[in-house]
Amino acid sequence: DIQMTQSPSSVSASVGDTVTITCRASQGISSWLAWYQQKPGKAPKLLIYAASSLQSGVPSRFSGSGSGTDFTLTISTLQPEDFGIYYCQQATSSPLTFGGGTKVEI
Amino acid sequence: VLLQESGPGLVQPSQTLSLTCSVSGGSIGSGINYWTWIRQPAGKGLEWIGHTYNSGSTNYSPSLKSRVTISVDTSKNQFSLKLSSVTAADTAVYYCARAQYPGVRGVIGWFDPWGQGTLVTVSS
Repeated sequence: DIQMTQSPSSVSASVGDTVTITCRASQGISSWLAWYQQKPGKAPKLLIYAASSLQSGVPSRFSGSGSGTDFTLTISTLQPEDFGIYYCQQATSSPLTFGGGTKVEI
Repeated sequence: VLLQESGPGLVQPSQTLSLTCSVSGGSIGSGINYWTWIRQPAGKGLEWIGHTYNSGSTNYSPSLKSRVTISVDTSKNQFSLKLSSVTAADTAVYYCARAQYPGVRGVIGWFDPWGQGTLVTVSS
């Protein structure tokens, strides 16, 4: 199985800040990584796919980068509605696996 | 495409959990998609359970493989999850989702859309 490790596990930031979340895969996955945002009581929402492609309708302050084993999600100019838990997911082989999550508090 | 889970919210220990995901706005048999079940215990992360694709092929999580069956009913545009011999550890919100194949061999894809999720509690 491919293990996904996220850091930090939580981050507290202010409106207008830039937040960076990292995700490391236990083996190379090329650019086959996705990022999700989850709010309390809701299903996860796809933000970024293929490491850096922005899902339709997602604000441009969200961006992703990386390839191989190391990936980054950046939220620029943090907004109040950006609170939640962010997960990465490797999209290559079964079993598909998620990172442990990063809680973003405003 | 919209997904909606349905099924009992309470299951007794040692029994079988059964959920159905209804797909609307598109045909479950069209395109190359992985129709997936994912669960999330309260306050914890996301766990991939397994998926069905190509009108009946399946892959399951190794940790659940002995207890899981995922099937598809193309005539009803639905797919289903059965998890046998449940214990309290199987209490979770269960989501159905679609993984879209990006057209690259060896890649399964990312999940969009998701159902709203349904809480299943295992308790007597």
